[in-house]
Amino acid sequence: RKEVEQDPGPFNVPEGATVAFNCTYSNSASQSFFWYRQDCRKEPKLLMSVYSSGNEDGRFTAQLNRASQYISLLIRDSKLSDSATYLCVVLRNTGNQFYFGTGTSLTVIP
Amino acid sequence: NAGVTQTPKFQVLKTGQSMTLQCAQDMNHNSMYWYRQDPGMGLRLIYYSASEGTTDKGEVPNGYNVSRLNKREFSLRLESAAPSQTSVYFCASLSGGAADTQFFGPGTRLTVL
Repeated sequence: RKEVEQDPGPFNVPEGATVAFNCTYSNSASQSFFWYRQDCRKEPKLLMSVYSSGNEDGRFTAQLNRASQYISLLIRDSKLSDSATYLCVVLRNTGNQFYFGTGTSLTVIP
Repeated sequence: NAGVTQTPKFQVLKTGQSMTLQCAQDMNHNSMYWYRQDPGMGLRLIYYSASEGTTDKGEVPNGYNVSRLNKREFSLRLESAAPSQTSVYFCASLSGGAADTQFFGPGTRLTVL
């Protein structure tokens, strides 16, 4: 079983829409959780960390459910510039090893 | 600050050739990583270095060697390239502490014929 699983999409949404991505992880020893954004043919960049209490950064909200081993990302009022691939990333508590999902592709349509 | 830099950006090799991918960071980070990214596979860890002088295997180390030359530099070597090593290679460094943020280089696109 993969460490981190994501729906690859693609998600095609109109400008202004709300879209949600989900991610599950298999190892209960995972300690830290992140969403990264990757533009086409570019390197991944941190979008936001995910905290147990849930956290918000502008139009982006991340949630963590440790009992279900589930992470989500909600994007409100989608912009054209949100078009990218969103990577779910998990850090285990043994060693500094990060595990990446395959990514969810989002295209925001005018 | 340049962040994480990688050279070369593109490379084409023939099967059996060798090459070294270079990575450097100027953020004084202790940990550095090499990943490969293939379609439908996500980023997979090849090797990592928790600190200067130490290296450890990741998920897909076969066919690769690494050197942590100093705190700034972490190189990846392909001794005898194979077509299965055609991929995009990313180097990253870790901020550590409470942040645990990885910063990535721009990547090297490698094709092995």
